Amino acid sequence: SQQGEEDPQALSIQEGENATMNCSYKTSINNLQWYRQNSGRGLVHLILIRSNEREKHSGRLRVTLDTSKKSSSLLITASRAADTASYFCATKGGSQGNLIFGKGTKLSVKP
Amino acid sequence: SQTIHQWPATLVQPVGSPLSLECTVEGTSNPNLYWYRQAAGRGLQLLFYSVGIGQISSEVPQNLSASRPQDRQFILSSKKLLLSDSGFYLCAWSVQGAGANVLTFGAGSRLTVL
Repeated sequence: SQQGEEDPQALSIQEGENATMNCSYKTSINNLQWYRQNSGRGLVHLILIRSNEREKHSGRLRVTLDTSKKSSSLLITASRAADTASYFCATKGGSQGNLIFGKGTKLSVKP
Repeated sequence: SQTIHQWPATLVQPVGSPLSLECTVEGTSNPNLYWYRQAAGRGLQLLFYSVGIGQISSEVPQNLSASRPQDRQFILSSKKLLLSDSGFYLCAWSVQGAGANVLTFGAGSRLTVL
């Protein structure tokens, strides 16, 4: 069952601009994670935000969480061509509480 | 440090042929192990997960099976491949007992069934 849904599906920006991706989920969570996937590669964990946190930073990444709206956003500031990748949010779901991923946002940063 | 290896990286198989994808983890003990599949333009679908040797749970019933013959080895198999089995298969591991369940993924195996 789908737990997280990212929006938009695709995003194209110029280098130096900020990129914002959103994630909505359906059920209560303890934490929400964001992952990055370069084309044809495995996913890499970026950041985890707990349900009692509203905002978290890691380098050029800023993640927010609004549990009342069941939504999260990932902001990449001063984007670079190397940020071109797909970004996924993930929360626990399914029959055994394993991580369930959304379909991802495909970010393209043009130099 | 922990590493995860997954092979083969690319595989082209005819319909009806068998499949074996292998995943091994180094530098940790008793990990949770996972197989995900990613179809083109779609998200990740959890296929199997394992919390210990010989313990396999299936999230989605299908043409595939998984086995964990050793603590850090996870194998995805099929006796007869279908066209719909094509996709990008990802192995992952997480620390057992850690509440947050952060996954570390392998590089993936691209399977094309013709």
